[in-house]
Amino acid sequence: EPEVTQTPSHQVTQMGQEVILRCVPISNHLYFYWYRQILGQKVEFLVSFYNNEISEKSEIFDDQFSVERPDGSNFTLKIRSTKLEDSAMYFCASRKEYGYTFGSGTRLTVV
Amino acid sequence: AQSVTQPDIHITVSEGASLELRCNYSYGATPYLFWYVQSPGQGLQLLLKYFSGDTLVQGIKGFEAEFKRSQSSFNLRKPSVHWSDAAEYFCAKISNFGNEKLTFGTGTRLTIIP
Repeated sequence: EPEVTQTPSHQVTQMGQEVILRCVPISNHLYFYWYRQILGQKVEFLVSFYNNEISEKSEIFDDQFSVERPDGSNFTLKIRSTKLEDSAMYFCASRKEYGYTFGSGTRLTVV
Repeated sequence: AQSVTQPDIHITVSEGASLELRCNYSYGATPYLFWYVQSPGQGLQLLLKYFSGDTLVQGIKGFEAEFKRSQSSFNLRKPSVHWSDAAEYFCAKISNFGNEKLTFGTGTRLTIIP
């Protein structure tokens, strides 16, 4: 069964550093998403991406965040200057029609 | 604003006992409803989904859920739980398919005791 692949599975970074979280969505999917889950809390929507542009973003997704689909296969989330409160599990998801497929997540720890 | 409510933060059941996890949603035309399971440190796995038609849907791992429009509910059930069912369960919803995001409930942590 096709999978959404996320790398790395765990990343530790110092506050103020830039991080890039990588995702390889399912190849024939058209919609791409990033969600995050702070430890012990619910899964929250960050951003959706369709037709090579952001289609919707949450209030969490401020100017420190950006997304790219640089080469038609990868889908990246960049945090320019990480803060302690960015520590969370970040999930990538893709969708073609009626089903979302989630990756296994990247746990980001900001120290 | 759309919302999904899971009133039970934590449920403990004995292995072999039946299970029901509650989910209520804010009403929207033609809700699309999902249940996901998350094992510790793992990603989100889809258990089942409801779009239309038969209000009782079957999922993987022996789970089922019933959509009740009159109660705005989509409760998850399993007749006999196994120790491997211990996990966090999330109910989620979207109101229509375009590029719309999933809205998740706060989750219910399920503990299984021998």
